[in-house]
Parts: sequence; C-alpha cells; structure tokens
Amino acid sequence: DAKTTQPPSMDCAEGRAANLPCNHSTISGNEYVYWYRQIHSQGPQYIIHGLKNNETNEMASLIITEDRKSSTLILPHATLRDTAVYYCIVRVAIDGNTPLVFGKGTRLSVIA
Amino acid sequence: GAVVSQHPSRVICKSGTSVKIECRSLDFQATTMFWYRQFPKKSLMLMATSNEGSKATYEQGVEKDKFLINHASLTLSTLTVTSAHPEDSSFYICSARRPPNYGYTFGSGTRLTVV
Repeated sequence: DAKTTQPPSMDCAEGRAANLPCNHSTISGNEYVYWYRQIHSQGPQYIIHGLKNNETNEMASLIITEDRKSSTLILPHATLRDTAVYYCIVRVAIDGNTPLVFGKGTRLSVIA
Repeated sequence: GAVVSQHPSRVICKSGTSVKIECRSLDFQATTMFWYRQFPKKSLMLMATSNEGSKATYEQGVEKDKFLINHASLTLSTLTVTSAHPEDSSFYICSARRPPNYGYTFGSGTRLTVV
C-alpha cells in the first residue's frame, strides 16, 4: 500500500468547509484513495473513496489531483459532530481478505 | 446494511482473568474478520485476521496464545484475552466486509480495563 502523509491536526469553524489534505506521491495506478473517520471511542466509519475522478456523496467530497499524488477530503459544512480523526488510506480495491492499514490520520476539531 | 456488532462495549476485569469479546456480522456473512487494538491517542493497530473455519493469522509481535481468536461461524468471531494484565488495557475493534461491493464496516469497539 502506498504511504500517505496527513497533517496531525486541524481546526475548522462550525458551518465552514473543512478541507483535509492527504499526500500519496507513491500511489500506483490500481490503488484507490479511501477516507475513514473515527469519532472518539467509536469504531472507524467509511466516508468516501475514489480512483482518479472526483467523488461526492452525502457526507463529503473527494478531490484527487490529476497526477493522483494528493487528494483533499471536503466536508462542506462542518458541524461539531464532525470532530474526529480522519484517515486517508491508499490501497488496491477492498477485497475483504486484506485489512485496512491505518496511519496516524488528522485530528479535526470543529469549533463553535 | 452491513452492520457489525461488538460486545461488550466496556469490560473491567482483574489481572490474571480472561475476557471474551464478540464480533458479529448482523446482516451478512463474513468469512474474514479483522481485529485491531488501539491505545489512547494512537492509531489502530492490526492484531490478527480471523478466518472462518481455520486458524487466525497474527501480526508480528502479537502473541497468539494470549489473544485467542475463534471464528466458528460465518457471522461470529471472538477474541479472548487470556491471563489479562494491565498493559492489555486498550480499545479493541473488529472489522468485516459485506460482499460483494461494500467497504469495511467496523464494530463500535470494546474498551478493556484490566485492574
């Protein structure tokens, strides 16, 4: 799995967009970018994933640069409940047989 | 869909005793489940891969005789912490994937405190 680099922490004002960056300069052509988050004392929660096109769902948007060496997770209107650790994981498509490997992630604090 | 239930959510046990943690896939069958451990303010560390009907695969440094994993059915994997010590106090989390196209779903975790 390609290595990822994320800032250790970020703050965001409630109601504003939270933009969480992730660098993955060694990503391979068949590797996806996955984002999970972990709210305190809970299990991780899937947010979104993508290969090379930008993706959007009800939780967030994922912007992947054209060279695929970095990406940004966007929470369009952050709320206090979005305070969590966000993990960017780069790997081949999930197959159910190989586990997710978590890095240190970014601790996002949404401030009122 | 794709719900993974973990039980108990919290447990306190005395040193030297054993504790069993259950991980159930409620609405799907999982031939493979994963067990993680997380210390305070640290990331999740993979402990082992649990395979239905066969022996678990443990990560380097994880004692298989201390952390017993049993995956006897397609919907249940158990992790037993044997002869628990205070240093085993941690947050234990399981994960599984609902085929064919779902991502990984995680249990809500079990906070183990050994006193």
